[in-house]
Amino acid sequence: AQSVTQLGSHVSVSEGALVLLRCNYSSSVPPYLFWYVQYPNQGLQLLLKYTSAATLVKGINGFEAEFKKSETSFHLTKPSAHMSDAAEYFCAVRLSGAQKLVFGQGTRLTINP
Amino acid sequence: GAGVSQSPSNKVTEKGKDVELRCDPISGHTALYWYRQSLGQGLEFLIYFQGNSAPDKSGLPSDRFSAERTGGSVSTLTIQRTQQEDSAVYLCASSLALGQNTEAFFGQGTRLTVV
Repeated sequence: AQSVTQLGSHVSVSEGALVLLRCNYSSSVPPYLFWYVQYPNQGLQLLLKYTSAATLVKGINGFEAEFKKSETSFHLTKPSAHMSDAAEYFCAVRLSGAQKLVFGQGTRLTINP
Repeated sequence: GAGVSQSPSNKVTEKGKDVELRCDPISGHTALYWYRQSLGQGLEFLIYFQGNSAPDKSGLPSDRFSAERTGGSVSTLTIQRTQQEDSAVYLCASSLALGQNTEAFFGQGTRLTVV
């Protein structure tokens, strides 16, 4: 069973526009949630993680994500896109009682000048 | 080292040959993970180590794949009798300890091409 779904394998926005990357999880118990970014030919870097301390999580590079239990979502946003944000973004979950991280299929973000 | 180190960064091998991929985790990290990233695919979990033992090896695709970890540090992923479908980027990650909100730190990956 798919634990995490990212809607949209490709998202394209204009420089300065809002970035919204969608992530939904399928678990009756809220899992631990992470967003990672992968720049071309590089490994994955953590953007932010949900720790249950607050539903709105701020990460690096101006990104943030909001945990919504009622919608089983953890969408990633950035108010104003920058050219340097072009990368692939992965949502990941760690289910309660498990250790492995399960990743979504990824969303490739393109920024148009 | 400062980060997770993987070697080689690139490997081209002939179909049917065996390959070994190496991962040096961050010093002191007890958990180590292997993932596979194929073109156009997400990250596929292969195996996870806690210390030298592998509590979860459910993602290994076939018995041609094996992994070990020694001294609670370096890990080797071995693929025997490689096939073209094994071509992918193999990513290793480590984390400090068991903890469900503990982040995993990733290496740069080994790009394996089977010709």
